[in-house]
Amino acid sequence: QQQVKQSPQSLIVQKGGISIINCAYENTAFDYFPWYQQFPGKGPALLIAIRPDVSEKKEGRFTISFNKSAKQFSLHIMDSQPGDSATYFCAAQRTYKYIFGTGTRLKVLA
Amino acid sequence: ETGVTQTPRHLVMGMTNKKSLKCEQHLGHNAMYWYKQSAKKPLELMFVYNFKEQTENNSVPSRFSPECPNSSHLFLHLHTLQPEDSALYLCASSQDNSNNEKLFFGSGTQLSVL
Repeated sequence: QQQVKQSPQSLIVQKGGISIINCAYENTAFDYFPWYQQFPGKGPALLIAIRPDVSEKKEGRFTISFNKSAKQFSLHIMDSQPGDSATYFCAAQRTYKYIFGTGTRLKVLA
Repeated sequence: ETGVTQTPRHLVMGMTNKKSLKCEQHLGHNAMYWYKQSAKKPLELMFVYNFKEQTENNSVPSRFSPECPNSSHLFLHLHTLQPEDSALYLCASSQDNSNNEKLFFGSGTQLSVL
């Protein structure tokens, strides 16, 4: 019940394409759903986050879609760029406790 | 830079060694965390400190011993580790450990146990 399942494990996208990463959770007590981006040799950094009372949040080329009834949320990266190549982690949070997904390694081809 | 600095960046140690990882944050935060990152596994929360008090020990083996002398500094003391402890150890901080605070991570210490 504490797991967050993330897919795919890796993703290759052409420059300009759309990258889509999916996550599913089980515990309905989670009340905050952030996405973190991690470049090689760096720690994760917050990219975008959503609360469960909103179905979609967009920041630039990054969009979170949230389906509360299905307990699923996804990250969409529009017009993917080589600089977006990184590992992306979804998470479900309640208070200070984050449950992270296993990560998706994204490679955007030039 | 995130405002969270970890040293050393890389560490190789034998199973009988004693070493320490250091984390310092310059963000004025009150909560600090140790996470373990292993390949193909979710980030694992190890310890949480809020206002220098330990508020979480996530069933971590006693060969890992945290220390938080003040809100800006966090240490992880290591002794008699096992090869399966090899991983990236990440320090993070947040304003406090209340609801939905954003985590700021350091770049981590890549630990190899021989």
